Amino acid sequence: VQLVESGGGLVKPRRSLRLSCAASGFTFDDYYMSWIRQAPGRGLEWISYISKSGDNVYYADSVRGRFTMSRDNAKKSLFLQMEGLRAEDTAVYYCGRLVQNYFDSWGQGILVTVSS
Amino acid sequence: AIQLTQSPSSLSASLGDRVTITCRASQGITNGLAWYQQKPGKPPKLVIYDASKLQNGVPSRFSGSASGTDFTLTISSLQPEDVATYYCQQFNSHRFTFGPGTKVEIK
Repeated sequence: VQLVESGGGLVKPRRSLRLSCAASGFTFDDYYMSWIRQAPGRGLEWISYISKSGDNVYYADSVRGRFTMSRDNAKKSLFLQMEGLRAEDTAVYYCGRLVQNYFDSWGQGILVTVSS
Repeated sequence: AIQLTQSPSSLSASLGDRVTITCRASQGITNGLAWYQQKPGKPPKLVIYDASKLQNGVPSRFSGSASGTDFTLTISSLQPEDVATYYCQQFNSHRFTFGPGTKVEIK
């Protein structure tokens, strides 16, 4: 199982950014997937998860209405479109594979820094 | 939403010591609880799921238990490679929650 995030970087407040997560080593469309983030020096915060087909997506209150999670099963890829970014969105963003209700595989993470 | 608290927030123990970390839920958990280990600069790693089941490849010195809304992660004999921060996690009503973490160090 391999999950590789990309698309992070430095972005100004109120701007947008799109993260991607490329999956390999498993049958991607057999699994729910999720994004989790970790602010510098802080704990883990779940932000969204998506069903196998992509028809159902759920968000944490902190990002609902600003972030959109999607997936492309043909390309074995996961996406996180982030709008209206704030300083408090600065974090390492991980994509994670869900098995039952647990994250059994994680990417290495990608840093998003929101600063003017 | 179910809140998770962990105690202690950090601990320092000697090699070979038995280490216990507690995670308390604000209400009953019906969908299981997991424990993750995170080493500095690395992603978390699933250690225990369903409160007491050991994830494949995790050393048997790790164990988990549950009693009501209290969950415990135990390391039976602390090893240098166990230095990490440990998080508990639960799922309820389409939301995942993590505990604040417990940092484990060697004395």
